[in-house]
Amino acid sequence: NAGVTQTPKFRILKIGQSMTLQCTQDMNHNYMYWYRQDPGMGLKLIYYSVGAGITDKGEVPNGYNVSRSTTEDFPLRLELAAPSQTSVYFCASSSTAQHSYEQYFGPGTRLTVT
Amino acid sequence: KQEVTQIPAALSVPEGENLVLNCSFTDSAIYNLQWFRQDPGKGLTSLLLIQSSQREQTSGRLNASLDKSSGRSTLYIAASQPGDSATYLCAVEAAGNKLTFGGGTRVLVKP
Repeated sequence: NAGVTQTPKFRILKIGQSMTLQCTQDMNHNYMYWYRQDPGMGLKLIYYSVGAGITDKGEVPNGYNVSRSTTEDFPLRLELAAPSQTSVYFCASSSTAQHSYEQYFGPGTRLTVT
Repeated sequence: KQEVTQIPAALSVPEGENLVLNCSFTDSAIYNLQWFRQDPGKGLTSLLLIQSSQREQTSGRLNASLDKSSGRSTLYIAASQPGDSATYLCAVEAAGNKLTFGGGTRVLVKP
């Protein structure tokens, strides 16, 4: 199993550009998450999904959008990139077992907005 | 709002010493607490998950304790090795299968 995969690994964007960060998991997990990690900080939840067709905001959703058309994929969209979105983005997934699960993380996408 | 704090932010020890990493959280109404390891430029690897009804979990040289009433967890790593050098993050699940993370403790084990 590949687990959770993310593409691209690195990206530099100019202010105002848009892009989509891809995330795929092959563990048939219903729950998927997007986090961002700023230097020296913990992770903050951007958006999450409890199943195909269902998404909800996390702690820091402004400037981002998500969709979940399949169980496997959970892309994160940045519409108008801003320097404040420079960060490392992690996708994660977990099983449906409530409150006894582990979250499995992808390797991250390092994004710089200049 | 749940807040998770990890002190110290960085720690350096000689090889062979035991490591003690601390995590505190403000809202004791949690379902579980999880410890992660993060290597530079990499994702997170889950080390231990402690359910709210448990007091501790062990895996090899790792032992994590949980005192929910005081809002504290401690990760012990016995007989540290240079390969233990990494950042260690704790996270709590308070509601809705969502995790709140601490800022991490960066550990350096010197040979």
